[in-house]
Amino acid sequence: GESVGLHLPTLSVQEGDNSIINCAYSNSASDYFIWYKQESGKGPQFIIDIRSNMDKRQGQRVTVLLNKTVKHLSLQIAATQPGDSAVYFCAENTSGTYKYIFGTGTRLKVLA
Amino acid sequence: KAGVTQTPRYLIKTRGQQVTLSCSPISGHRSVSWYQQTPGQGLQFLFEYFSETQRNKGNFPGRFSGRQFSNSRSEMNVSTLELGDSALYLCASSLGGAQPQHFGDGTRLSIL
Repeated sequence: GESVGLHLPTLSVQEGDNSIINCAYSNSASDYFIWYKQESGKGPQFIIDIRSNMDKRQGQRVTVLLNKTVKHLSLQIAATQPGDSAVYFCAENTSGTYKYIFGTGTRLKVLA
Repeated sequence: KAGVTQTPRYLIKTRGQQVTLSCSPISGHRSVSWYQQTPGQGLQFLFEYFSETQRNKGNFPGRFSGRQFSNSRSEMNVSTLELGDSALYLCASSLGGAQPQHFGDGTRLSIL
């Protein structure tokens, strides 16, 4: 398969703090990126996307930053809440390939 | 609008059997992708269909196959099941191209 990594890093943050989840993507030709949230027993849920002609995009309490120079993507969650506890995945797509490559995932734990 | 529906949610099979999983995409979505999710390998791309045509296939053996019907519903089949096929199988649909993929909650397949 093409997914990377065997270990799931964990980020623990205090409720109300901001969270930053990072992702290093693999293909410099990738031009579309998505962040997903996956809760236990459920499928990944779309959070926000960004295209390669942008370097920042904001949603409700979330911001995605794209640095194409170093092939890095980050997801910032403002005022993290207990309901944000989940595993977060980045996914990259290259036009014409019709497939997404997913990162390892990061487990976010929100401490009360 | 109804989300992606996968059936069944849980399945138990024995080695050597075969299995068929079903996916009903979001209405209007013509692209359906399948992924295998395991703790050790993460999310791995299986294949993608658009208008009944397979446009890409991941690095899985020929025992894994799929198809898409004219109403965009999709099925995947795994023949001669092996213990290592135990996984969560996820289906995602989109409008096609670089558009957000939306996932179902998956079929949990256990091989005894």
